[in-house]
Amino acid sequence: AQSVTQPDIHITVSEGASLELRCNYSYGATPYLFWYVQSPGQGLQLLLKYFSGDTLVQGIKGFEAEFKRSQSSFNLRKPSVHWSDAAEYFCAVGAGTGTASKLTFGTGTRLQVTL
Amino acid sequence: NAGVTQTPKFRILKIGQSMTLQCTQDMNHNYMYWYRQDPGMGLKLIYYSVGAGITDKGEVPNGYNVSRSTTEDFPLRLELAAPSQTSVYFCASRQGQVGTGELFFGEGSRLTVL
Repeated sequence: AQSVTQPDIHITVSEGASLELRCNYSYGATPYLFWYVQSPGQGLQLLLKYFSGDTLVQGIKGFEAEFKRSQSSFNLRKPSVHWSDAAEYFCAVGAGTGTASKLTFGTGTRLQVTL
Repeated sequence: NAGVTQTPKFRILKIGQSMTLQCTQDMNHNYMYWYRQDPGMGLKLIYYSVGAGITDKGEVPNGYNVSRSTTEDFPLRLELAAPSQTSVYFCASRQGQVGTGELFFGEGSRLTVL
């Protein structure tokens, strides 16, 4: 079965600083990988996904993530954080087909942005 | 675009009461999911469905039941509510299996059991 680890529960960065959120996964084959963002009181919104091909993927709101098979990682990055990026971020791994097809989520990283 | 709609948004239950969380999607998606979200725990899968008439258990199904009589609707039933079921519940849908597209989420239903 697949699993996801987000080692950072809470991160604080200054507005304009760069950001990297860590994600490590466990799965026997190449998984499908996702990053979601959740603003307070809202559902989850997809930031970006990796299915195959180029290991550096671009998403919405200026985010990008890099799939590193050797490290089983899919870290999320942003060059310059905006105050509106304060939210909770979830990494997820997807696998399986048919009735076994599902996503497994990490425990999330809460991002605080200081002005 | 309505997307995934959940009702109610908030509900307080007494221990032992029952209720149904409603979820409907207007995207003609085959796959639908119910998750619960607890602080620091991420999202845990309760039940899911790959089409009308087909449901299966996720990681934390105890105390819940689902049905899928139509493509659009996937209600979650809580029988004999317990304080441990205090949580935020999210319904989500996708066209097909993982790798076929985006998983769309509803805005959540916050349930408190007292």
